[in-house]
Amino acid sequence: GAVVSQHPSRVICKSGTSVKIECRSLDFQATTMFWYRQFPKQSLMLMATSNEGSKATYEQGVEKDKFLINHASLTLSTLTVTSAHPEDSSFYICSARGPMGDTGELFFGEGSRLTVL
Amino acid sequence: AQTVTQSQPEMSVQEAETVTLSCTYDTSESNYYLFWYKQPPSRQMILVIRQEAYKQQNATENRFSVNFQKAAKSFSLKISDSQLGDTAMYFCAFMKPNAGNMLTFGGGTRLMVKP
Repeated sequence: GAVVSQHPSRVICKSGTSVKIECRSLDFQATTMFWYRQFPKQSLMLMATSNEGSKATYEQGVEKDKFLINHASLTLSTLTVTSAHPEDSSFYICSARGPMGDTGELFFGEGSRLTVL
Repeated sequence: AQTVTQSQPEMSVQEAETVTLSCTYDTSESNYYLFWYKQPPSRQMILVIRQEAYKQQNATENRFSVNFQKAAKSFSLKISDSQLGDTAMYFCAFMKPNAGNMLTFGGGTRLMVKP
């Protein structure tokens, strides 16, 4: 089956530093990946759509300069939280469209918990 | 825009019993996909079941089945013979085909299976 892996699973950083989270499709090529943010006991909120070889599409209210997304290859998308602050602490999840075309199914990474001190 | 509503923030069920989680949605589309995802304490999102709106037959996957009522825009999940491992957050989700595979999630239902 299609596997999506995120790294790191947990990261703690100091306020003002930048953190990069990677999302990899391990056994298939993903032209489109999605980044979500999840607060405790809440649902997933779509932050942006990451397209290989082009600029990401951000949802309304998501700061492009704060959350930098790069999708430089067909198997890797990265989310960089720049100048992180405690309010950026959250659970970040990526997903990718599967290798079988538009069956509707998305495959999710394990998530990355960011804690900003 | 599509909206997905899960009216039960929390539910509990005894092991081996049956439980039904509710989901309603709002859309003007005639063709779409509906999903139930499970998020256990590990936080990994796992697809439980998937339904295509043009199919009248309700989807089933082992102990999991759905009651899809298109006219009522209702998509409930029934879990039979509940197991302790079913304890998790359950999210109902909507996707419009050929629209970039964007998922719209409901608010989630926290299910606790009690021994």
